[in-house]
Amino acid sequence: DAKTTQPNSMESNEEEPVHLPCNHSTISGTDYIHWYRQLPSQGPEYVIHGLTSNVNNRMASLAIAEDRKSSTLILHRATLRDAAVYYCILRDVSGSGGSNYKLTFGKGTLLTVNP
Amino acid sequence: DGGITQSPKYLFRKEGQNVTLSCEQNLNHDAMYWYRQDPGQGLRLIYYSQIVNDFQKGDIAEGYSVSREKKESFPLTVTSAQKNPTAFYLCASSYRGAATEAFFGQGTRLTVV
Repeated sequence: DAKTTQPNSMESNEEEPVHLPCNHSTISGTDYIHWYRQLPSQGPEYVIHGLTSNVNNRMASLAIAEDRKSSTLILHRATLRDAAVYYCILRDVSGSGGSNYKLTFGKGTLLTVNP
Repeated sequence: DGGITQSPKYLFRKEGQNVTLSCEQNLNHDAMYWYRQDPGQGLRLIYYSQIVNDFQKGDIAEGYSVSREKKESFPLTVTSAQKNPTAFYLCASSYRGAATEAFFGQGTRLTVV
C-alpha cells in the first residue's frame, strides 16, 4: 500500500494561513490524494482531493508537487473550528481489475489553532 | 436526510461476549468500511466491502467478522477472540472509485469490562 508521512502536530494562530504538508514518495500514477479531518469524538469529514493539478474548494486548497511525491493542504485563514486531526491518504486501488478501493488512514497531523 | 448512521453511540459488554455494531447508509453507496480508533491514534481498517455479498479483510481483521447482505447495511461483530475490543469504531461509505469521497458515521464507543 502507498504510504503517507505527516508531522505529528502543528500550531497556528487564528486568521493566519496554515500549510499542512504530506509526503507520499511511493505514490502510483493512479492514486488520488485525499484529505480528511477529524474533530474529537467524531467521525472524519472529507476536505478535498486531487490527482495532479492544484484544487480549491470552499474549505481549503490542495497544492500537489509536480512529481506528486508530496502535497500541501492550505487553510487560508485558520479559525478555532479548524482545530482537528488532519489526515492525508492515498486512495488505493487493488484487486483483480483494479476493483477494490481501500481507504487507509495514517496517524495524521494534530492542528492546534491559538486565539 | 441522506447519511450514514451508526448505533448505538455507546456500548458496554462483558468480556467474552460477542457484540454486533450497526452501520446503515441511505446514500446508495456500493462501498462500506469499518475502522477502529484507539486513543491518540489514527484509524485502522478492519474490513471493507465493495459490493453486496463480498468483503475483504483490512489490516486488523482478526477477532472481527462482517456481513454484507444488503447494500445499505454492513454490521460488524466483535467476537470474544478479539483480545482488546475496547475502542472507538467508525463506519464509512462511498461510491466505488479512487476519486470519490467517503462519508463517516458518528462512531460507536465500545467498552468491554
